[in-house]
Amino acid sequence: TQLLEQSPQFLSIQEGENLTVYCNSSSVFSSLQWYRQEPGEGPVLLVTVVTGGEVKKLKRLTFQFGDARKDSSLHITAAQPGDTGLYLCAGGSEDDYKLSFGAGTTVTVRA
Amino acid sequence: DSGVTQTPKHLITATGQRVTLRCSPRSGDLSVYWYQQSLDQGLQFLIQYYNGEERAKGNILERFSAQQFPDLHSELNLSSLELGDSALYFCASSAGGHTEAFFGQGTRLTVV
Repeated sequence: TQLLEQSPQFLSIQEGENLTVYCNSSSVFSSLQWYRQEPGEGPVLLVTVVTGGEVKKLKRLTFQFGDARKDSSLHITAAQPGDTGLYLCAGGSEDDYKLSFGAGTTVTVRA
Repeated sequence: DSGVTQTPKHLITATGQRVTLRCSPRSGDLSVYWYQQSLDQGLQFLIQYYNGEERAKGNILERFSAQQFPDLHSELNLSSLELGDSALYFCASSAGGHTEAFFGQGTRLTVV
């Protein structure tokens, strides 16, 4: 079983501050995705990274895939209240056709 | 709109009853996942199907069962319901089983 650990579990910051969420595993993944979920809604895919060392930017969000494809980070610059939500990472393995989710990081951005 | 359709959106039922939740995946997606999310909790993986076959099982209770039909839609059956089964149940689909998953809007189950 592939285990994805996310840290921190909870994060509360003031509007305008930066934050980083981590996703770590002992397993190698063929791809890794980040999702954001708002209360009462289904998670929405933000980005997919597939190459070790890959960095992707989505406006104020920067996603990085570790060189060994075992870990990833999500960095938000100048956070806004609209960034509030549950952030989930998920790793995919083409060896066994599985997608494993981390437990998530709840981010609260205070105005 | 993710392209994944879940019905019903809301369901209220009594303890001891049985319900069926339905999921239609995105067109062309072969894999379907079911997740349970209790209040303020993360996603708990229940079960995955790939092209009609069970691929992976998570923390799914024996009172719960699922299947994926030839047209690729899936149903999650919950029986002998208990108050603790009240939760949001999400279905997700992906093309290859290990690729990006797209989630439905969920079914909110309330057991009274």
